Amino acid sequence: AQSVTQLDSQVPVFEEAPVELRCNYSSSVSVYLFWYVQYPNQGLQLLLKYLSGSTLVKGINGFEAEFNKSQTSFHLRKPSVHISDTAEYFCAVSDDRGSTLGRLYFGRGTQLTVWP
Amino acid sequence: SAVISQKPSRDICQRGTSLTIQCQVDSQVTMMFWYRQQPGQSLTLIATANQGSEATYESGFVIDKFPISRPNLTFSTLTVSNMSPEDSSIYLCSAGDRNMNTEAFFGQGTRLTVV
Repeated sequence: AQSVTQLDSQVPVFEEAPVELRCNYSSSVSVYLFWYVQYPNQGLQLLLKYLSGSTLVKGINGFEAEFNKSQTSFHLRKPSVHISDTAEYFCAVSDDRGSTLGRLYFGRGTQLTVWP
Repeated sequence: SAVISQKPSRDICQRGTSLTIQCQVDSQVTMMFWYRQQPGQSLTLIATANQGSEATYESGFVIDKFPISRPNLTFSTLTVSNMSPEDSSIYLCSAGDRNMNTEAFFGQGTRLTVV
């Protein structure tokens, strides 16, 4: 089975500073990788995903992530954050086996708080 | 892509009662999933709902407590039975299909409070 580790439960940062949210995974098969964002009292919204190809993927709201197969990591970055980026961020993985298509394994989440 | 409508969006229920949550997808999907997000926690998969067959439950979840229906390729329900305060959580429906390029789409969730 897959597992996901988000190394930081909380990341406080000042507005306009860069941020990196860390995510490591373990799997015995090829995986797809995702970052989701959850704003207060809302559902999950996909930020970006890695399926194949270029290891640097760009998502919405200026976020990007880099897939590093050797380090089994998929860290999320943004060069300059805004107060509106304050939310919970979840890293997730799935695999391409037909029997589990769409089934996601989530990390515990990282609360990003942006201060003025 | 897919749009998932989940209802109710929130409810406050008495202990010992049951609540059925509905999940409607605007297109046919192969896989539907039900997750639970307890306060301050990540998402935990309850079960996978396949059309025309019994749901597959994850360890720690049983059909008697969380019966699931999947009558067609666009709809599923999750019932939380004989509720206790420990069942207070957000319940999220998700759908996936090869036509969606492996992305899983989520409903807005049902925020359940058991008193």
